[in-house]
Amino acid sequence: DTGVSQNPRHKITKRGQNVTFRCDPISEHNRLYWYRQTLGQGPEFLTYFQNEAQLEKSRLLSDRFSAERPKGSFSTLEIQRTEQGDSAMYLCASSFGDLNYGYTFGSGTRLTVV
Amino acid sequence: GQNIDQPTEMTATEGAIVQINCTYQTSGFNGLFWYQQHAGEAPTFLSYNVLDGLEEKGRFSSFLSRSKGYSYLLLKELQMKDSASYLCAVRDDKIIFGKGTRLHILP
Repeated sequence: DTGVSQNPRHKITKRGQNVTFRCDPISEHNRLYWYRQTLGQGPEFLTYFQNEAQLEKSRLLSDRFSAERPKGSFSTLEIQRTEQGDSAMYLCASSFGDLNYGYTFGSGTRLTVV
Repeated sequence: GQNIDQPTEMTATEGAIVQINCTYQTSGFNGLFWYQQHAGEAPTFLSYNVLDGLEEKGRFSSFLSRSKGYSYLLLKELQMKDSASYLCAVRDDKIIFGKGTRLHILP
């Protein structure tokens, strides 16, 4: 197992464009989380899935953001009509059941909106 | 609400000991994590405390007092590679992170 994989690693987009990121969790992990991190801040929770069910969404997740995990394996995070304030590192993490060992994070997708 | 406080920055000398404090006020609590994050990289797990007391793991130790809403991370025999951000995080059904403490190590 190669850990949590995120693609792309970097994305530069023009304001107003839509972008989609992909996360492939560790195969036996049933929970998948999305976080956003800006410079000098800790990761901010966006949403999480248990299998294919989206169990919680943060108020940070505006209507322009949508996440899916259709088959309970990989997940996508889409941002529509991007704004400069969306520029951040988007981190995906996964875990199996109990969180006693925390998450395993992916390397993240760095989004720059110009 | 959720509130996790830790110092923004700290500086220490190679070979020394540093203690990074964290206080928290959260609606739920099922344990406290410390993560290390080097610039441009993802956070990596350091420690997990669910009961009061000290957990030691090599050069790193973590302490928890649930009644005080307080934790600290103790780093001994500091090395240059310990220069990183250290994130205090509280577990409920998910993990909520503090803003992190940037630790600078001077030679």
